[in-house]
Amino acid sequence: EAGVAQSPRYKIIEKRQSVAFWCNPISGHATLYWYQQILGQGPKLLIQFQNNGVVDDSQLPKDRFSAERLKGVDSTLKIQPAKLEDSAVYLCASSLGSALGEQYFGPGTRLTVT
Amino acid sequence: KQEVTQIPAALSVPEGENLVLNCSFTDSAIYNLQWFRQDPGKGLTSLLLIQSSQREQTSGRLNASLDKSSGRSTLYIAASQPGDSATYLCAVKGGGSTLGRLYFGRGTQLTVWP
Repeated sequence: EAGVAQSPRYKIIEKRQSVAFWCNPISGHATLYWYQQILGQGPKLLIQFQNNGVVDDSQLPKDRFSAERLKGVDSTLKIQPAKLEDSAVYLCASSLGSALGEQYFGPGTRLTVT
Repeated sequence: KQEVTQIPAALSVPEGENLVLNCSFTDSAIYNLQWFRQDPGKGLTSLLLIQSSQREQTSGRLNASLDKSSGRSTLYIAASQPGDSATYLCAVKGGGSTLGRLYFGRGTQLTVWP
């Protein structure tokens, strides 16, 4: 069974530029999560989707971050414009049913903002 | 708000030692607790998941315990090996009003030298 796929794996941009990350969850998984992990810290949930609806985006900085999951499968996370403090690893995870199910994580995208 | 703390932040030991990693959390209303392993440049790999009604889980050389009333969990690694070198993250899944959300600690960075 294929795991959670993410691309790109690495991205370097200048501040004020925009960037987008892509995630393909495990086939059949209804719930998809995006986490931000700043160096030296644990992952922090940014947004959670159940199918193509948003369940929890309370920790998403909505002035610059946006995410969508149009067909209930793939998802994209966008940052526009980026700030230095956005440098982090962005992890995507999915679970089979609700948020109570076990989450499976992708390899992450390491973003460096200069 | 749930706060998860892991002690120590870093640990360096010779091969063969038995180790204890500690995790504490502030809100005992949890659904489950999970220990993850994170290797550089990779995503999170689940090691052990303990439901809130359980006291411990074992997998090979790993044993995790949970004392929900005191807000503590320990991960015991027996006969450590250089391949165990990684960052170990503790995460609690919220119950109550935060049902399903994962809260992570900052991790313990483990180095096992030959």
